[in-house]
Parts: sequence; C-alpha cells; structure tokens
Amino acid sequence: AQSVTQLDSQVPVFEEAPVELRCNYSSSVSVYLFWYVQYPNQGLQLLLKYLSGSTLVESINGFEAEFNKSQTSFHLRKPSVHISDTAEYFCAVSPTDSWGKLQFGAGTQVVVTP
Amino acid sequence: DTGVSQDPRHKITKRGQNVTFRCDPISEHNRLYWYRQTLGQGPEFLTYFQNEAQLEKSRLLSDRFSAERPKGSFSTLEIQRTEQGDSAMYLCASSPAPGGTEAFFGQGTRLTVV
Repeated sequence: AQSVTQLDSQVPVFEEAPVELRCNYSSSVSVYLFWYVQYPNQGLQLLLKYLSGSTLVESINGFEAEFNKSQTSFHLRKPSVHISDTAEYFCAVSPTDSWGKLQFGAGTQVVVTP
Repeated sequence: DTGVSQDPRHKITKRGQNVTFRCDPISEHNRLYWYRQTLGQGPEFLTYFQNEAQLEKSRLLSDRFSAERPKGSFSTLEIQRTEQGDSAMYLCASSPAPGGTEAFFGQGTRLTVV
C-alpha cells in the first residue's frame, strides 16, 4: 500500500515570490510520482511526473520537482509565482506495475496575492 | 480529441434515490478509472477498467455502487439508495495502455444528496 502526505494544506504567497510545496510518500513497492494541479472549477491536470532517470523534472510553466529516494520526498518548487498559479496542487503516486491507479495527498491550496 | 467528458456536471438527489453518472474517455484509451473526491481531500481510487473488464475495486466501493464499461468505451457509475455520505465529486480518468503513465481527468460530476 502507498500513502502520500502533503505537509501544508494552504500556502499563501506574494506574486513573484518563490514557493515550495512539500510532499512525502511511503510505499513498499516502486512507484511513479506525480504533481497534479486543479484550477478553480476545472478538472485535474498533470503538472509533471517522475518515472525514472534524472531526479529533477520540470514543467513547461516553470515548476520543478525533485525526487529524493532516501527521504521519500517529491517537493514542488517555483522560483517566481504568478497570480494565475492560484490553484490546488496534489501530489500522487502510483505503483509502477499498476500505473494510473493513483494515491493522492490531501492537496495544498496555493493562494497568490499581488 | 476532446478530452475526458463526464455527464452530468452536477446532480442533486434526495436520499434513497438512485443516480447514474456517465464518463466518455479519450478515444482509444484502454484504461478508465473512477475516483471520488470529498471536500478538503484528494481523490480516492474507486475502480478501474481495462477495456470492458473491471480489474480492481476499492473497499470504498460498497455494494450500493456499481460500475460498468459494456463495450470498452464509455462507462457508467451507479449509486443505489444514495446516502448523504455519498455527496462528493466523482472523477473519471483514462489512460492509454500499454505504456501510458499519465491519467487524464474529466471535470467531474458533483453529487449532492439532500
């Protein structure tokens, strides 16, 4: 079984400031790691994923996440946020032999203010 | 490609009534998943299909819940004798198989049981 802990339920941040969303997981099997974003009144969208290889993965809109196997973490960062980054962010894992079956964290609400 | 489509977007029903939701996955996606999301929580896995075969069901899926994917395309999720605790967002996702590691989500059906 897997579990995902997102350490912050809400993160207020000023526009153009950096943000870090923390995610820790536990699993007895190998997993893939994901960050999904949910904008107000929209469905979940994949932000980035770690499958294998380089432990640092990047999204097209400036987010990056680093897989740390020893600390079982997959923290998400962005060096400078925009108002449009206001959303809920979910960390998720899925077993490598059962991909698509996702175990989500409780989510972190990011509120960006001017 | 129009993405994953769910219908209806909102449903209000009286306790004890039956409800049915529909999900149309991305065409040619073999795998289809149902999740449930309650307020303040991340989505929880309910069940998934590979083509028309239902391969796994969560313990969350009580006997009042049934899901089908009769022709390996769209899927339905039925809840019989609804209870107030069934109020939630029901999410559908699909992914290609084999080889697909990303689940694409629909916008969900919000169920309110009064």
